[in-house]
Amino acid sequence: DAGITQSPRHKVTETGTPVTLRCHQTENHRYMYWYRQDPGHGLRLIHYSYGVKDTDKGEVSDGYSVSRSKTEDFLLTLESATSSQTSVYFCAISDRTSPFFGSQETQYFGPGTRLLVL
Amino acid sequence: TQLLEQSPQFLSIQEGENLTVYCNSSSVFSSLQWYRQEPGEGPVLLVTVVTGGEVKKLKRLTFQFGDARKDSSLHITAAQPGDTGLYLCAGYSNTNAGKSTFGDGTTLTVKP
Repeated sequence: DAGITQSPRHKVTETGTPVTLRCHQTENHRYMYWYRQDPGHGLRLIHYSYGVKDTDKGEVSDGYSVSRSKTEDFLLTLESATSSQTSVYFCAISDRTSPFFGSQETQYFGPGTRLLVL
Repeated sequence: TQLLEQSPQFLSIQEGENLTVYCNSSSVFSSLQWYRQEPGEGPVLLVTVVTGGEVKKLKRLTFQFGDARKDSSLHITAAQPGDTGLYLCAGYSNTNAGKSTFGDGTTLTVKP
């Protein structure tokens, strides 16, 4: 199994509070991703990173920010949590080395964080 | 925007039956992955198909990549309760800035 952990695994918070989720990898992979998973929507990309301090938005980035100060850690912050951000959040790492070369990518997923915003 | 449509969304069958799950797109992908996700866990890779027309077998699971690399199917023979889970397809393309596109998934329940 790929060495990828997420913390916390469960969190309950109140509307309007900031929340930070952590993803930690031991594989030294360049690419890291944050997804949210909701019934009927599958996995939706929030933000991703292609290196230290290099990040970009995904399809559902509003209300979220990320930071990557070290290769092994990718943080997702909900700046002011809302009930619509109640979801299961998955971090993934990828064995890709470049966005321009190669024909395939394998993503390895963490165990997920279940977030409830009241 | 690249989209992947999976069908059916839900599937409930008896142990021993066969089934096929489809993953379709109007976009061409360099490769396509199938993942299985069990409740409370993250998705786990089952297979990657790269070549148009490619067929891969994993025990009772058969995966096929369409000739035009726009679609794929997953066929399970003699389904077992252990096959129960969410099946996700994901397409990868160099033109999508190194991001994979995921389908919404097929939830399979195999009853004993």
